[in-house]
Amino acid sequence: EVQLVESGGGLIQPGGSLRLSCAASGFNVINTYMSWVRQSPGRGLEWVSVISDDDTINYADSVKGRFTISRDNSKNTLYLQMNSLRADDTAVYYCVRAINGMDVWGQGTTVTVSS
Amino acid sequence: DVVMTQTPLSLPVTLGQPASISCRASQSLVHRSGNTHLSWLQQRPGQPPRLLIYRISNRFSGVPDRFSGSGAETDFTLRISRVEAEDVGVYYCLQATHFPWTFGQGTRVEFK
Repeated sequence: EVQLVESGGGLIQPGGSLRLSCAASGFNVINTYMSWVRQSPGRGLEWVSVISDDDTINYADSVKGRFTISRDNSKNTLYLQMNSLRADDTAVYYCVRAINGMDVWGQGTTVTVSS
Repeated sequence: DVVMTQTPLSLPVTLGQPASISCRASQSLVHRSGNTHLSWLQQRPGQPPRLLIYRISNRFSGVPDRFSGSGAETDFTLRISRVEAEDVGVYYCLQATHFPWTFGQGTRVEFK
């Protein structure tokens, strides 16, 4: 079964750092487009970042320079390193396989940035 | 950035009746490859989004055939031929042709 399971969310103070993890099963993260999408409370969806099958990386302007996407083939896991966190980064973060649109979604992990 | 504008933002529906949602892009979504990376997603209450349609009109695995997508260039439509109870939720269009990828604002589908 194809599945994505996120972890690493939590409550963090402004300016702090968190690393989100996304464990994949049923397919290899190294051979495909993988993305992070977030959803702020009561709001719509916002694309955050993508890493392609050839390791090309793109970020939303709102996170560029602060967030880093990466993956570990040996662990079949996608990561999102988030630094210099701000209150407006508060959201549910979804790990997504991005083949032909966004075809597989995790359940999400909640990040709350607050003092 | 490509702005994706959905209409309507709220759609009251009747069980068994058809429904449609429009999505307009601020520029053409035709990729240099010739593909148009326009998708539709459904988010039921309390759940993550789910892919319904990809590349304008391709129904994803397991999606009921009452869902269909159409359009080209900048104008796209999601249709539900006969609304069922489980179709309540928020529907989003997504363009993945141009970076940054962008979503529509979402259309809330609820029963009258």
